[in-house]
Amino acid sequence: SAVISQKPSRDICQRGTSLTIQCQVDSQVTMMFWYRQQPGQSLTLIATANQGSEATYESGFVIDKFPISRPNLTFSTLTVSNMSPEDSSIYLCSVVVGTDTQYFGPGTRLTVL
Amino acid sequence: QKEVEQNSGPLSVPEGAIASLNCTYSDRVSQSFFWYRQYSGKSPELIMSIYSNGDKEDGRFTAQLNKASQYVSLLIRDSQPSDSATYLCAVREGGGADGLTFGKGTHLIIQP
Repeated sequence: SAVISQKPSRDICQRGTSLTIQCQVDSQVTMMFWYRQQPGQSLTLIATANQGSEATYESGFVIDKFPISRPNLTFSTLTVSNMSPEDSSIYLCSVVVGTDTQYFGPGTRLTVL
Repeated sequence: QKEVEQNSGPLSVPEGAIASLNCTYSDRVSQSFFWYRQYSGKSPELIMSIYSNGDKEDGRFTAQLNKASQYVSLLIRDSQPSDSATYLCAVREGGGADGLTFGKGTHLIIQP
């Protein structure tokens, strides 16, 4: 497996502001993903973070709202831009270890007022 | 649109009994199937993965896959109170380069 850390673990933000979430892995991984888990809901894939190129976004998610960086094989950031209360969620990064198994970070709990 | 369906529960099972969790999926080309367990306030942790039709056993857990029926299940034998959690079924279309599509999860309660 891999040890995945996320910063911050939680934050409370004002609407209209932006927050950048960091995901750090203790080993090089090929695939990294970002998910969102809204209150009482399951996980929804936001995007695949591609190393050295633009992220691949799922339907309903756009780069202007959720810009993603992945400068190397151990680190990625997700920014939630121009936040509204509807963005209040847990944001999780996940990585693929080996060829197949996907592990999740501890998550960032975001509350937008 | 890919969909993964689960009964949200709660599913209440006596301690020591078998808990049976079910999942159906809409995308016929799906190749990989996973069960995650999520405790309240925690991130999902992988329990089982299954790729071929039939059963796969790991300790007290057995995953069952029927691709013709687009059906995945998880059996938990000798259920313990510590098994009380939300169980998420996840499906992937291809290999490790693809993200997962999750069901909404089944809330399982093991009654002592």
